[in-house]
Order: sequence, then C-alpha cells, then structure tokens
Amino acid sequence: QIVLTQSPAIMSASPGEKVTMTCSASSSISYMHWYQQKPGTSPKRWIYDTSKLASGVPARFSGSGSGTSYSLTISSMEAEDAATYYCHQRSSYPCTFGAGTKLELK
Amino acid sequence: QVQLKESGPGLVAPSQSLSITCTVSGFSLTSYGVSWVRQPPGKGLEWLGVIWGDGSTNYHSALISRLSISKDNSKSQVFLKLNSLQTDDTATYYCAKSKFAYWGQGTLVTVSA
Repeated sequence: QIVLTQSPAIMSASPGEKVTMTCSASSSISYMHWYQQKPGTSPKRWIYDTSKLASGVPARFSGSGSGTSYSLTISSMEAEDAATYYCHQRSSYPCTFGAGTKLELK
Repeated sequence: QVQLKESGPGLVAPSQSLSITCTVSGFSLTSYGVSWVRQPPGKGLEWLGVIWGDGSTNYHSALISRLSISKDNSKSQVFLKLNSLQTDDTATYYCAKSKFAYWGQGTLVTVSA
C-alpha cells in the first residue's frame, strides 16, 4: 500500500504567518487530497485533486505538488485555521491517509 | 442535500461482532459508492473499505478476513460488519460518500468487557 508521510506532525503559527505542510507518498500518485478536522467533528474535505479548494474554503489556502511530493499552504494564518490536516490518496487501493499535521495558533 | 448518518451499538464485548448502519439521503446508492473510515481516540484516519454503486467492494487488506460491507439500495442504507473485535478496534466509525466530499457525524464504538 502507498504510505503517506506528513510533516511536521505538530506546528504552530502566529496570525498572519505563512504556513506550509507537506505530504510525501511512498510511490507516485495522480492526485492528493486534504481534509481538515477539528476536535469532536468529522473530517471536512478541504483540498481535492491536489489544488482545488472545496466549497467554502478560504482563498488563503492552496495545494500543490506532483508525483510523490505534495503540500498545503496557508498564505496568512488565521485563528480559525487551527486544526489537524490529513492528506489522502485514492490513486491506488487501499486508500490511505497520512498521520496528520496538527496546526496550532501561536 | 447530501447527508449520511451512522448508527451503531456504542459498546461491544471483545470477540463479538460489530454492525453499523449508514443511512444516506440526497443521493442514490446505485450511482455512488460509500466508504467506511475509522479513527481511534486521539489518532488518525484509517480507510476500511468501500461499496460501489454496482455492489462491488474493496476492503483494506489488513481487515479483509473480518470485514464485510453490504447495502440495501431501496432503504438507502449501507452496512458494515466487523467480526472478532479486539480492544484496538475501539474507534469512531465514519461513512463517507465517494470522493469523501460528504461524511457522516461518526459513531463511537468501544470494545470492552
């Protein structure tokens, strides 16, 4: 199965700071997807097909990458962005998720 | 609008079986697949399996001997059955519409005597 490695595991950012988190796949995949999860709630689709923002996701978020290396970037951190972000691939079954990057507000 | 809702037993004894129902609305199970994902307390997400619109299934290889996913299109329900439960099966179980754009609220299942 394809293993997704997210880094860092935990990070903190101040309001207005640029944030980048990465997801590395053990084999090349076609697309990466990202989910945001806050405590006690279900994951929400956040970025799909590598770079498309899900409905309602602020434009300060962006996704990029190809092959085995992907990233999620927030251009300017806001308090509401504090959450755990999971990357996900379904190019190859079984689908797999990364272990998550917990983003905290500094 | 699209909605999914899981219903489960809450508490299951070790070695017993788990059955969870996902009731969907706003789309047809004959046209879209539904996946199951679980999340142990404080941990990450694990994909379990999917049932497609045509009724075919894919399962996580680690669970293939214990897991079964089925559905009733007329009732808009998808069923997960997991056998021989152990304590590490304790998790919140989610169902999600194909492409994971929509998720249920999840149901917490605790495996304990």
